[in-house]
Amino acid sequence: AQSVAQPEDQVNVAEGNPLTVKCTYSVSGNPYLFWYVQYPNRGLQFLLKYITGDNLVKGSYGFEAEFNKSQTSFHLKKPSALVSDSALYFCAVRGGFSGGYNKLIFGAGTRLAVHP
Amino acid sequence: SQTIHQWPATLVQPVGSPLSLECTVEGTSNPNLYWYRQAAGRGLQLLFYSVGIGQISSEVPQNLSASRPQDRQFILSSKKLLLSDSGFYLCAWSQLASGYTDTQYFGPGTRLTVL
Repeated sequence: AQSVAQPEDQVNVAEGNPLTVKCTYSVSGNPYLFWYVQYPNRGLQFLLKYITGDNLVKGSYGFEAEFNKSQTSFHLKKPSALVSDSALYFCAVRGGFSGGYNKLIFGAGTRLAVHP
Repeated sequence: SQTIHQWPATLVQPVGSPLSLECTVEGTSNPNLYWYRQAAGRGLQLLFYSVGIGQISSEVPQNLSASRPQDRQFILSSKKLLLSDSGFYLCAWSQLASGYTDTQYFGPGTRLTVL
């Protein structure tokens, strides 16, 4: 069965430092992986996705993610964190497809806190 | 461009009262539609999904039901709310694309508090 894990409940980073939010996955077949961000009392915003091709995927707001097949990881990164990046981040993997439905399996979320 | 709306934004309801949450999508046709619940500001639980008018699939047996009376309208309902129905309800849409890699896009959510 497809699954995704975000091993860190919270990540603390100083503003201007690089940040990494970790995600590991387990899938049968080719993985389709996604990152979303959620600000307080808001819906999820799509950041980026990996389908195929380059292992380094660039997304919105300066974020990027590195797909590593051997380590079954899809870590979210940003070279220089901003206080405004503080939010809840979700990794997701496509769970399966049938009848036109594309189910996403979400991780539990990682809270990113960027300190001035 | 596509937009997704949800209302109301917040709702406080007594236990045992009915519920109706609405979600509409603009700028696309025949989307896949989803209802999620997020409890305690963390993980998302998929409740229902729909691939077309009148076609609803339930992921988790519970006190809630969903309907899709129009192509771009998705409604979440309950006849009698329970305390455990409190949470943040998110609607999402996706468009089937080649390779089945459609991204889900989320609405702003409805905060439901059952007292």
